[in-house]
Amino acid sequence: DTGVSQNPRHKITKRGQNVTFRCDPISEHNRLYWYRQTLGQGPEFLTYFQNEAQLEKSRLLSDRFSAERPKGSFSTLEIQRTEQGDSAMYLCASSLLGTANSPLHFGNGTRLTVT
Amino acid sequence: QQPVQSPQAVILREGEDAVINCSSSKALYSVHWYRQKHGEAPVFLMILLKGGEQKGHEKISASFNEKKQQSSLYLTASQLSYSGTYFCGTDTGQNTGNQFYFGTGTSLTVIP
Repeated sequence: DTGVSQNPRHKITKRGQNVTFRCDPISEHNRLYWYRQTLGQGPEFLTYFQNEAQLEKSRLLSDRFSAERPKGSFSTLEIQRTEQGDSAMYLCASSLLGTANSPLHFGNGTRLTVT
Repeated sequence: QQPVQSPQAVILREGEDAVINCSSSKALYSVHWYRQKHGEAPVFLMILLKGGEQKGHEKISASFNEKKQQSSLYLTASQLSYSGTYFCGTDTGQNTGNQFYFGTGTSLTVIP
């Protein structure tokens, strides 16, 4: 079990640029989640995959955000035309089963700063 | 729909006990507890299922009152390593990603 890996750890970008983050989940986990966390707040759900299928997406997520999980392995989260309000920690988590009875294993996150 | 935690913050001396509460407005199937240290990812502590027993992990245990839609985390004889922010995560039993909500968080500081 090598854990959930996220890259890059930090990303500084100028407003209007596009950014892409990568998440490698624990290998046998078929569920993968993306969360966003701002200082002092709990993680906020963005989207989730079961294998390669993106099953749900937060209603709060604008069209500038897109995520993929080709072949049900690693996942990417892309933010287009970044805004200063996108600055946050982006966390990826994976689980073996659903959240009803399976813990989430988090990566160390990607901290995005939009200047 | 976000669970509410109380207290928001607590400071303890080593060896003291603390209780963190998590309350939801929706019926719950399970409750998770996570601890997050500054600059790190949340780390899973335990999960409590509907109809399940009180769980324990070292000197940290938790209970789940399904009727009241509440869970409590008990930290006994606190250690410096217990410092961090504690989050509950609640699942309404839909077993879907967007029905899992993290609580408002409780900052715990243990001092010597």
